[in-house]
Amino acid sequence: AQSVSQHNHHVILSEAASLELGCNYSYGGTVNLFWYVQYPGQHLQLLLKYFSGDPLVKGIKGFEAEFIKSKFSFNLRKPSVQWSDTAEYFCAVTSMDSNYQLIWGAGTKLIIKP
Amino acid sequence: DAGVIQSPRHEVTEMGQEVTLRCKPISGHNSLFWYRQTMMRGLELLIYFNNNVPIDDSGMPEDRFSAKMPNASFSTLKIQPSEPRDSAVYFCASSLTVSSSGNTIYFGEGSWLTVV
Repeated sequence: AQSVSQHNHHVILSEAASLELGCNYSYGGTVNLFWYVQYPGQHLQLLLKYFSGDPLVKGIKGFEAEFIKSKFSFNLRKPSVQWSDTAEYFCAVTSMDSNYQLIWGAGTKLIIKP
Repeated sequence: DAGVIQSPRHEVTEMGQEVTLRCKPISGHNSLFWYRQTMMRGLELLIYFNNNVPIDDSGMPEDRFSAKMPNASFSTLKIQPSEPRDSAVYFCASSLTVSSSGNTIYFGEGSWLTVV
């Protein structure tokens, strides 16, 4: 069965630091990849997604993610984080193997120190 | 555009009472999902519907939980009787369809349930 791994459960950074959150998946075929963000006390919102084409995907709020097929990875990046980026970030994958159901990572809690 | 609408946003109830959570998916979306989120277990898919038909309810924790989708614009998740361990945030989500690539799921704002 397909799985999604997010390497870090908690990340603490200072404002203006660069961010990279890891996401790896296990399926070797065609995948669709997502990053969702959940701000404290709020619902999950789509940050960005990759279906096909340019493997470098730009999302909202200055986030981007790069799909590296050879590494089964879809890491999330932001060059300079802000206090308002404090949130939990979820990576998710769909594929034919999962009947196009979202397979979720466990989430990474990001805390930005002002 | 209206997103996924859930009600109630917050509910506090006593153990043993029936709880009904409601969801209106995005208009035109054919797939609807119920998720539960807790600190201990994270995000769990409880059940999903495609064209109003339940497709996979393997995530429903036990018989106390039931979900219905009587029409394309409304779904309920019912817990009867409720227990303190059911305290969680219950999210409803919808997407255009479930059985093809390129789907994006959109979440409602959640129903925050506390069972005391």
